[in-house]
Amino acid sequence: AQSVTQLDSQVPVFEEAPVELRCNYSSSVSVYLFWYVQYPNQGLQLLLKYLSGSTLVESINGFEAEFNKSQTSFHLRKPSVHISDTAEYFCAVTRRGDDKIIFGKGTRLHILP
Amino acid sequence: ETGVTQTPRHLVMGMTNKKSLKCEQHLGHNAMYWYKQSAKKPLELMFVYSLEERVENNSVPSRFSPECPNSSHLFLHLHTLQPEDSALYLCASSQDGFGYEQYFGPGTRLTVT
Repeated sequence: AQSVTQLDSQVPVFEEAPVELRCNYSSSVSVYLFWYVQYPNQGLQLLLKYLSGSTLVESINGFEAEFNKSQTSFHLRKPSVHISDTAEYFCAVTRRGDDKIIFGKGTRLHILP
Repeated sequence: ETGVTQTPRHLVMGMTNKKSLKCEQHLGHNAMYWYKQSAKKPLELMFVYSLEERVENNSVPSRFSPECPNSSHLFLHLHTLQPEDSALYLCASSQDGFGYEQYFGPGTRLTVT
């Protein structure tokens, strides 16, 4: 069975500082990995995805994540956060060929002024 | 209207009431989903419809009854709910076969009193 672990329920970080949101997954088969973001009072939006190819994937707003098969991780990073990045971030996994996504519990990113 | 819309955005109902949540997608997708989002718990997949047929029912109590009259509309009928059913209910859609890339509505915040 697949599962996703987000170790941090909340991460406070100062504006313009770097951040890393951790995600580990478990699966015995090949996987697709995702980060979704949920801004206050909104639904989830796909931020970035790893399907195949380059293990480093990027979003349009400066986030990146790296698929590390040996460590079964897909951590999300940004070199300099902005107040507008305040949101909850969900790591998710699915098996290749499966339409069901397994979500982590989410990490709330709290930007300090 | 674009994307995925949900109505109402907020709903307060008593345990003996009957109400319905509505979801509409304007993306031309043919798969739709209901999720339950509770505080401090992972996102829970409730129902999946593909080409208007229910393909997944994740052991959801019968007091929740989904309906998908066409590929653009999805309903969740509620009756005799319990206080622990209070949560954010999210609707999502995707193109069949690409269920990993789901587009979410803003959700309905349900409070059962």
